[in-house]
Amino acid sequence: DGGITQSPKYLFRKEGQNVTLSCEQNLNHDAMYWYRQDPGQGLRLIYYSQIVNDFQKGDIAEGYSVSREKKESFPLTVTSAQKNPTAFYLCASSDRPPYEQYFGPGTRLTVT
Amino acid sequence: AQRVTQPEKLLSVFKGAPVELKCNYSYSGSPELFWYVQYSRQRLQLLLRHISRESIKGFTADLNKGETSFHLKKPFAQEEDSAMYYCALSPTGGFKTIFGAGTRLFVKA
Repeated sequence: DGGITQSPKYLFRKEGQNVTLSCEQNLNHDAMYWYRQDPGQGLRLIYYSQIVNDFQKGDIAEGYSVSREKKESFPLTVTSAQKNPTAFYLCASSDRPPYEQYFGPGTRLTVT
Repeated sequence: AQRVTQPEKLLSVFKGAPVELKCNYSYSGSPELFWYVQYSRQRLQLLLRHISRESIKGFTADLNKGETSFHLKKPFAQEEDSAMYYCALSPTGGFKTIFGAGTRLFVKA
């Protein structure tokens, strides 16, 4: 089954803890993205990676970190520095631009 | 600054009525523009892109560079069109994509 997978679907953490969200793709896409989706705000770009071992900050990168050690994987760490981490997180991948982005099912993170 | 504006959070129409979801953008250059759709309990997916000039599920979108708009239109709405619609912009040849806040379309029977 090809596509993008995100795990887990739901994640609960205590305030002050770092948490890592998984994103894997088997589409052989070069680019991968992380978005945060909040009601009324649409999708906001956190980080994106054009190629392995390279990534750039998006519009709301503060409090987040990523790595891109493998083409298939682009994990996102939500650190304790993120002031409002409770949200729905979407991962996507794409081939060379301006091709479409393929989205994962998302992870809903709740921090209490 | 690059920005995508979808002025309507919610649009409600009757089945068979025409529908237009508005999208305005701010970008100094020639961007690539897209419409994405998210049906209930499904993943966000591409509906159409301006470069393809295609019609998908009866929807079309015309890029108006003078008005910097990329409105999505369908002449006769169907109940299955009810979904969340996002307009998105990418710089030509660029990876970064900016999404609008989205418009929820509700088609009433």
